[in-house]
Amino acid sequence: EAGVVQSPRYKIIEKKQPVAFWCNPISGHNTLYWYRQNLGQGPELLIRYENEEAVDDSQLPKDRFSAERLKGVDSTLKIQPAELGDSAVYLCASSHSPSTSEQFFGPGTRLTVL
Amino acid sequence: GQSLEQPSEVTAVEGAIVQINCTYQTSGFYGLSWYQQHDGGAPTFLSYNALDGLEETGRFSSFLSRSDSYGYLLLQELQMKDSASYFCAVRGGLSTGAGSYQLTFGKGTKLSVIP
Repeated sequence: EAGVVQSPRYKIIEKKQPVAFWCNPISGHNTLYWYRQNLGQGPELLIRYENEEAVDDSQLPKDRFSAERLKGVDSTLKIQPAELGDSAVYLCASSHSPSTSEQFFGPGTRLTVL
Repeated sequence: GQSLEQPSEVTAVEGAIVQINCTYQTSGFYGLSWYQQHDGGAPTFLSYNALDGLEETGRFSSFLSRSDSYGYLLLQELQMKDSASYFCAVRGGLSTGAGSYQLTFGKGTKLSVIP
């Protein structure tokens, strides 16, 4: 079984530039999560999808961050414009359902904003 | 709000036993999870405790006391490959709605296993 796929693995951009991250969850997993992990910290939830619906986006900075999950499969997280403080690892995870205890994480995208 | 506390670093000898503690404060609680993350890698699920008591999975065990808002991860027969960061995570921030499925992670404990 293929795991959660994310791309790109690394991204370096100048501040004020846009950036997008892509995630393909495990086949059959209806729930998809985007997390941000700062250095030396645990992952912090940005948004959770159940199928194509964003059901928990309370911690997504909506002024510059947006996400979509068309057709309830893969998802894209966008930042526009990026700020220096956005440098972090952006992790995507998926699970069968929101009540499933185990979440499967992708390798993440390491974003550096210069 | 929610807060979790766990030691920032632990060092242990190969073959030994180590316990990583986690205390939490939360307005709503459904369970405590543990994840392992190697440097540059993805977090991987280790265990989940919804009820009080000890859960054992191979060399790893996890314990929960809901009344004490406390849990721990026990690693036995330590191996060099166990060197990683270990995160406890609480499921549930709000007692209802979307927050009941939210996973809040601690800052992690960096375990170093030495020969």
